[in-house]
Amino acid sequence: ETGVTQTPRHLVMGMTNKKSLKCEQHLGHNAMYWYKQSAKKPLELMFVYSLEERVENNSVPSRFSPECPNSSHLFLHLHTLQPEDSALYLCASSHGTGDSPLHFGNGTRLTVT
Amino acid sequence: GENVEQHPSTLSVQEGDSAVIKCTYSDSASNYFPWYKQELGKRPQLIIDIRSNVGEKKDQRIAVTLNKTAKHFSLHITETQPEDSAVYFCAASKGFNKFYFGSGTKLNVKP
Repeated sequence: ETGVTQTPRHLVMGMTNKKSLKCEQHLGHNAMYWYKQSAKKPLELMFVYSLEERVENNSVPSRFSPECPNSSHLFLHLHTLQPEDSALYLCASSHGTGDSPLHFGNGTRLTVT
Repeated sequence: GENVEQHPSTLSVQEGDSAVIKCTYSDSASNYFPWYKQELGKRPQLIIDIRSNVGEKKDQRIAVTLNKTAKHFSLHITETQPEDSAVYFCAASKGFNKFYFGSGTKLNVKP
C-alpha cells in the first residue's frame, strides 16, 4: 500500500530501555527523514539523510541516534528517553531535490513510561 | 530559518460548502509549497503542491493559490464531503531537503 514502511506501529518503553525504530522505502528515493509529531505542534524535523550521509541534525538530544546503512533503510535508536518524548515518529523519503514532495510512512506511536 | 504559520487551527463547514486554509511564510527564498492531508491514525499524504513560478494550481475540487509578494498561499476545497474531514498541513521549502510545516488545520465537514 505504501512505499514507506515503518515498524513497529506502536511501542511502549520505559525510560531505561533501548529500542530502535525501523523505516524502509521502496520508491527509489535518495533522501530519508525522521520527523516527530506531537499534539497541537507542527511536524518537527529531526534528521535528514541524503545519499546515506546525514545532512541535517536539528538540535536533537543525543538520546536519539539515527542510522542510515543504505538509501532504502533508516533507523532511529532510542536510549534513556523521557516521557515528553512520547509522540508519533514519522519517517519520510523523497528524491532529494528541493521541489520533490515527502512520502511518509504510517509512523510509530511511541509511549515512554 | 523559515517560519510557517497556518490558520485557522480548526474549521467546521457544512457538506457542500467551500473550505479555505491559509498559510504564510517568512523566507522569500522558499519556492515549493506542498499540502498534506492526514486522516486520523494515518500518515500525511500529499494532496497538491505548487512551485513559485505558478500562481494557482487546480486538481478537481482542490486548488492552491500562491502570492509570492505577500508570502502567503492558500488551500481551497470546493463542494466539501465528509471524507474531506482530516488535518491539513501546509509546508514551505527552499530546497536542501528542508521542509517547514504549519501547525495544521483540523477540518470537520458536517453531513
